[in-house]
Amino acid sequence: AQRVTQPEKLLSVFKGAPVELKCNYSYSGSPELFWYVQYSRQRLQLLLRHISRESIKGFTADLNKGETSFHLKKPFAQEEDSAMYYCALSGSGNTGKLIFGQGTTLQVKP
Amino acid sequence: GAGVSQSPRYKVAKRGQDVALRCDPISGHVSLFWYQQALGQGPEFLTYFQNEAQLDKSGLPSDRFFAERPEGSVSTLKIQRTQQEDSAVYLCASSKRQGWVNEKLFFGSGTQLSVL
Repeated sequence: AQRVTQPEKLLSVFKGAPVELKCNYSYSGSPELFWYVQYSRQRLQLLLRHISRESIKGFTADLNKGETSFHLKKPFAQEEDSAMYYCALSGSGNTGKLIFGQGTTLQVKP
Repeated sequence: GAGVSQSPRYKVAKRGQDVALRCDPISGHVSLFWYQQALGQGPEFLTYFQNEAQLDKSGLPSDRFFAERPEGSVSTLKIQRTQQEDSAVYLCASSKRQGWVNEKLFFGSGTQLSVL
């Protein structure tokens, strides 16, 4: 079965501290993975995707097929990073349909 | 230049009522998705359209849920005989291309449905 697990509901860090939001997946095949973010009172939006190998707002994510993980990292958290973060997996069928994790709230304290 | 538009923003229904939720995707976007997001959970896939064709409805929880996109643009999600467990935020998303696993989805603000 295809599944995305985000084990932490809430992650609270101080400004300037490193951040790692965990994501594990279950998928039989070559996965395509994403991180979506929802800032307060804004709509859900794409943060980054595995295929692009990009760094957005200082965040990076590395796909580890051995550990079936796609953790989101940032070396120095900023207060504006406070938001809800969702890891997502593109399911089979080549439709672009996403399977989301339950989400992790990141709280960056001043 | 507007993004994905959903209406109404909030909907309160009495148990047993029918509701219709509207999604206006970004102009020219081929793919359209509906998701259901219960409180404290991630979005869960309901159904997918490629233009006017509903290619995947595997996530619709029961036959009370029905979606259409007759002209390949605006879509309506209809829920008949609403029940309390239908209370959730219903999200619509669109994407430019079809059938590409890495496609970026653009989400609407959602419709928050409360069934009393």
